[in-house]
Amino acid sequence: NAGVTQTPKFQVLKTGQSMTLQCAQDMNHNSMYWYRQDPGMGLRLIYYSASEGTTDKGEVPNGYNVSRLNKREFSLRLESAAPSQTSVYFCASSGSWDTEAFFGQGTRLTVV
Amino acid sequence: QKEVEQNSGPLSVPEGAIASLNCTYSDRGSQSFFWYRQYSGKSPELIMFIYSNGDKEDGRFTAQLNKASQYVSLLIRDSQPSDSATYLCAAWYGSASKIIFGSGTRLSIRP
Repeated sequence: NAGVTQTPKFQVLKTGQSMTLQCAQDMNHNSMYWYRQDPGMGLRLIYYSASEGTTDKGEVPNGYNVSRLNKREFSLRLESAAPSQTSVYFCASSGSWDTEAFFGQGTRLTVV
Repeated sequence: QKEVEQNSGPLSVPEGAIASLNCTYSDRGSQSFFWYRQYSGKSPELIMFIYSNGDKEDGRFTAQLNKASQYVSLLIRDSQPSDSATYLCAAWYGSASKIIFGSGTRLSIRP
């Protein structure tokens, strides 16, 4: 049982480049999330998907797009990377209100 | 105002003492609350989950919830050096099916 799998683990981009972060969960969870974590800022919600076919903006959505490809997969796209998007990105999933969020191992992204 | 607020710390506690971590939330519609521990460079891991008013105990950890005051806390008894980490408070917002995290409190247990 892999849980939540994120790829890649590390990435360096040049300003203006695009990339997609992939996330997949095998727990049959309805909700999936993308967070970013910067020093002293905790986890800030970028986008989330409460169920297959729906996506909603979180606290810091600007500069990002998402796709809930199916119940298992939720991808995050940076269309034109900026240095301000240098961060650690976590994908997570949860079943409902009474179940915890399970996290992927994180992606450390640097934009130069 | 952030939806979930925590003191960033650092909070320094001597080994063997009780560490007390606090969290407030803004939306009365929040249904359940989580405490996660995160070691440097690692993913968050769940410590406690609470959704009813009162106390919930699990080993050395006690979570407390007061919905009237919109306040959640985590007590760590007999603190150990291995408890040194960042503790993240999170709230489930049922109306939107999303989980919002606070900024985390850095806890340091000194020998």
